[in-house]
Amino acid sequence: SQTIHQWPATLVQPVGSPLSLECTVEGTSNPNLYWYRQAAGRGLQLLFYSVGIGQISSEVPQNLSASRPQDRQFILSSKKLLLSDSGFYLCAWSTTGTEAFFGQGTRLTVV
Amino acid sequence: TQLLEQSPQFLSIQEGENLTVYCNSSSVFSSLQWYRQEPGEGPVLLVTVVTGGEVKKLKRLTFQFGDARKDSSLHITAAQPGDTGLYLCGGATNKLIFGTGTLLAVQP
Repeated sequence: SQTIHQWPATLVQPVGSPLSLECTVEGTSNPNLYWYRQAAGRGLQLLFYSVGIGQISSEVPQNLSASRPQDRQFILSSKKLLLSDSGFYLCAWSTTGTEAFFGQGTRLTVV
Repeated sequence: TQLLEQSPQFLSIQEGENLTVYCNSSSVFSSLQWYRQEPGEGPVLLVTVVTGGEVKKLKRLTFQFGDARKDSSLHITAAQPGDTGLYLCGGATNKLIFGTGTLLAVQP
């Protein structure tokens, strides 16, 4: 069966520090991968998606970036965090392009 | 820009009441999905509706896809505290987008 791992679960980082969130998927090949950010009690904002290794589409201009170095690995990064980067970050995969399966999320607090 | 608007944004009801949540768009979708999310966790897929006018039932939850495939509704019968959570609709073209969310609280 397919599983998705996302870590860390919580993170507190100072303003200006770098960020690296990692997501890996098991049990499937060539999935579409997605990074979303969510404000409390609200919908999901699509940040990046990838249909293959090295292929990244950015949805929102910001100081975040994403990379897909391996088929089932998706990384969200920042060189210098801003206070406004705080939020709940979710990684998801899909093979159908319609139904998404999510990781447990990372609660990022920038202080 | 394709948007999925959900209403209401917040809903607080008593156990045993019925409720309906709506998901609307100006765009046509080949399918729409409904998810439920609990605090601190990722959304979990509940159902996919594909055909215009389609109705699917999942225990006390009834999902309907609009005839024009631009909207969907989720109806919960006799809500229970375990139904509490954030309900999200989702749709796809070349990417997956999600609705604005409906936060449901069912009071015992």
